[in-house]
Amino acid sequence: EAGVAQSPRYKIIEKRQSVAFWCNPISGHATLYWYQQILGQGPKLLIQFQNNGVVDDSQLPKDRFSAERLKGVDSTLKIQPAKLEDSAVYLCASRIADTQYFGPGTRLTVL
Amino acid sequence: AQRVTQPEKLLSVFKGAPVELKCNYSYSGSPELFWYVQYSRQRLQLLLRHISRESIKGFTADLNKGETSFHLKKPFAQEEDSAMYYCALGVRFGDGNNRKLIWGLGTSLAVNP
Repeated sequence: EAGVAQSPRYKIIEKRQSVAFWCNPISGHATLYWYQQILGQGPKLLIQFQNNGVVDDSQLPKDRFSAERLKGVDSTLKIQPAKLEDSAVYLCASRIADTQYFGPGTRLTVL
Repeated sequence: AQRVTQPEKLLSVFKGAPVELKCNYSYSGSPELFWYVQYSRQRLQLLLRHISRESIKGFTADLNKGETSFHLKKPFAQEEDSAMYYCALGVRFGDGNNRKLIWGLGTSLAVNP
């Protein structure tokens, strides 16, 4: 089966610019997660969707980050405006039963 | 507090030596523990889960509720085991049907020839 797809794979922007990431989960997976992984750290959950509804966004910096999953399938994560400390790998995962399946990630560099 | 601690950032062993990656957790509920692995240039993927009590690629992990630990072990390390290993704690929230993972910082395992 096809895995979780993410694009772009790499993105370089300047601070205060905007950026958007896209994720297509595994077909049929209702739960979708966005994580931020800073170099040398474990993944940090930003937001969790169940179908098209948000079930946990407690760690999402809502003043600059937003995410949506309008049709309960694909999802986008946006940062506006970006800060230097947003440089990280952004991971998307979808879940079936108790296993999360990860995409390849988007490496964001903010200059 | 819900927390996962992996005390070693880097673990270096020789091929054929035993390896143990430590993981301790803090959680007031019934824990679900996982080990995820990320090989170089590959995606993060599930290695094993405590509930399955299985051995994957020669690795095993036993949940010790008394010591709140879930250490990952392999009796004879191989070079292809070199990777980043993350311990994760599954927690339920909301009405109990929602699940998320609390992650450790990871341990980088280097198996030298």
